[in-house]
Amino acid sequence: DGGITQSPKYLFRKEGQNVTLSCEQNLNHDAMYWYRQDPGQGLRLIYYSQIVNDFQKGDIAEGYSVSREKKESFPLTVTSAQKNPTAFYLCASSLAGGRLDTQYFGPGTRLTVL
Amino acid sequence: DQQVKQNSPSLSVQEGRISILNCDYTNSMFDYFLWYKKYPAEGPTFLISISSIKDKNEDGRFTVFLNKSAKHLSLHIVPSQPGDSAVYFCAARLYNNNDMRFGAGTRLTVKP
Repeated sequence: DGGITQSPKYLFRKEGQNVTLSCEQNLNHDAMYWYRQDPGQGLRLIYYSQIVNDFQKGDIAEGYSVSREKKESFPLTVTSAQKNPTAFYLCASSLAGGRLDTQYFGPGTRLTVL
Repeated sequence: DQQVKQNSPSLSVQEGRISILNCDYTNSMFDYFLWYKKYPAEGPTFLISISSIKDKNEDGRFTVFLNKSAKHLSLHIVPSQPGDSAVYFCAARLYNNNDMRFGAGTRLTVKP
């Protein structure tokens, strides 16, 4: 069945290490997004991509990098430059990235940096 | 700078009663608003939306009201059911932008 998968569900890393979070969708959606959620705050956009090989920074892109080599995949790398990486990360996709498109979310990855 | 605020972190109602979840925003350039529902260990799922040209949108038990002058929207669930227990996020989109601004969420508990 179609959907968005994120793996792993929980991830632990040592400070100073880069870590890559996986996001895959089989909905044939063109647009994909990464959000971060911190306690007591709403979701904040990190990066989004409306088409393969193209992506745009969101509000809090510093310390993160992405790639979009395939339509189905939009991995997020949390680099050592990210000052507060511990958070809940959500990936989403939408049909074409239009303003009124509904975004569909994956189950999320909780990253803890020790 | 939180442009979308949900000031009530939690709400508890009795089954069969009305649940009213509130959301305020500060940016008058928002012109499309959405509500998402999130169960534990799952991603948010779209619930209902409203364009700024309307003041009400209804879908079954769910109704969203928009008051542009007050920069306020609310989600009404009637009648509330225990399965509605979840975290509800309000989101808003700018007229010329693809990204959404989310509130911090309100945890709704519907007691049987």
